[in-house]
Amino acid sequence: DAGVIQSPRHEVTEMGQEVTLRCKPISGHNSLFWYRQTMMRGLELLIYFNNNVPIDDSGMPEDRFSAKMPNASFSTLKIQPSEPRDSAVYFCASRPFEGGWSPLHFGNGTRLTVT
Amino acid sequence: GIQVEQSPPDLILQEGANSTLRCNFSDSVNNLQWFHQNPWGQLINLFYIPSGTKQNGRLSATTVATERYSLLYISSSQTTDSGVYFCSACSGGGADGLTFGKGTHLIIQP
Repeated sequence: DAGVIQSPRHEVTEMGQEVTLRCKPISGHNSLFWYRQTMMRGLELLIYFNNNVPIDDSGMPEDRFSAKMPNASFSTLKIQPSEPRDSAVYFCASRPFEGGWSPLHFGNGTRLTVT
Repeated sequence: GIQVEQSPPDLILQEGANSTLRCNFSDSVNNLQWFHQNPWGQLINLFYIPSGTKQNGRLSATTVATERYSLLYISSSQTTDSGVYFCSACSGGGADGLTFGKGTHLIIQP
């Protein structure tokens, strides 16, 4: 299995620009999670989807952040407009959601730098 | 939501030493995982252990759900064990995400 695939690995952009991060979950996993990691706040859950439906977006910091999951194999996290404080590593994770509990699998992350 | 606390925050050991990392959580858990974040930033899943004991090579973990803690044991440490170890837990319904502790930063010196 290829694992959770995120792109790009690194993104450098200027303040005010739109940023789109992408995630392909493991095939067959129907729960998908977006996390953000910073030195100050550690690993924070931003939003998660179950069967392509957003379940809880209470971790999304501001209206500048939005996430979509148009199908079972693709999700995006968009920041518009970006600000320097959005600089962080963004992780996507997935797991099956049927038949009980199972471990969460993480992608390698996207390191975002906003100048 | 659930609170996850890890100790110690930092640990420096010599190669070959053994270590115990602790994770306390504030509620009953349906999911508990230990991760190792390596120097390249990758989050490696070590154990999925909401209860009981598991072993994988030099690493083992025990979760005592009734007392709300989990322990990660590393024996015969190697320099490649360096990195940050995260405990994460979830107490909610089927699709809830994991809440992470602040991690234990482990340095193994040669």
